[in-house]
Amino acid sequence: RKEVEQDPGPFNVPEGATVAFNCTYSNSASQSFFWYRQDCRKEPKLLMSVYSSGNEDGRFTAQLNRASQYISLLIRDSKLSDSATYLCVVNFGNEKLTFGTGTRLTIIP
Amino acid sequence: EAGVTQFPSHSVIEKGQTVTLRCDPISGHDNLYWYRRVMGKEIKFLLHFVKESKQDESGMPNNRFLAERTGGTYSTLKVQPAELEDSGVYFCASSPLAGEYDEQYFGPGTRLTVT
Repeated sequence: RKEVEQDPGPFNVPEGATVAFNCTYSNSASQSFFWYRQDCRKEPKLLMSVYSSGNEDGRFTAQLNRASQYISLLIRDSKLSDSATYLCVVNFGNEKLTFGTGTRLTIIP
Repeated sequence: EAGVTQFPSHSVIEKGQTVTLRCDPISGHDNLYWYRRVMGKEIKFLLHFVKESKQDESGMPNNRFLAERTGGTYSTLKVQPAELEDSGVYFCASSPLAGEYDEQYFGPGTRLTVT
């Protein structure tokens, strides 16, 4: 079983719709959680850190459920510019990041 | 502020040759990491420097890979001799030295193709 698992997609979503991504992780002692965004042939860039209380940044909401070892990302009112691969990333307490395979999102005009 | 830079952006070499990748972290960042993404797989950790010291090299695939960070500034990753399965994108990341687990800032990557 992979340490970080996420649905690879692709998700093809009409502009303006709401889309949700889920991710599960294997280690209950995990320390930090992130969603990174990666555009085609570019480097990963931090989208949001994910906190236990949940956090929101504009149209983006991230939630963490430690009991279920589950992380989610919700994008509301999706824009064409949201098209990218979204990477679920976990720090298991040793400063190295463990990545999921990524979920590819395409926003359709 | 300049971001993490990597050189070269692309490299095509033949099996058995040697390639050296370079990473310049963000100025003042003591943590430097190397990651790799091979085709169809997730990004995977290779190793972590704190200043010039290797903190964790548990992700290095084998002894054909050698990473250095002399002087605690830029880092190099040498692959010698290169094999076909070494093809992929090599990312470098850096972060400041702190008690919390800070965001890691990624460079644009070096795309390595071994033929």
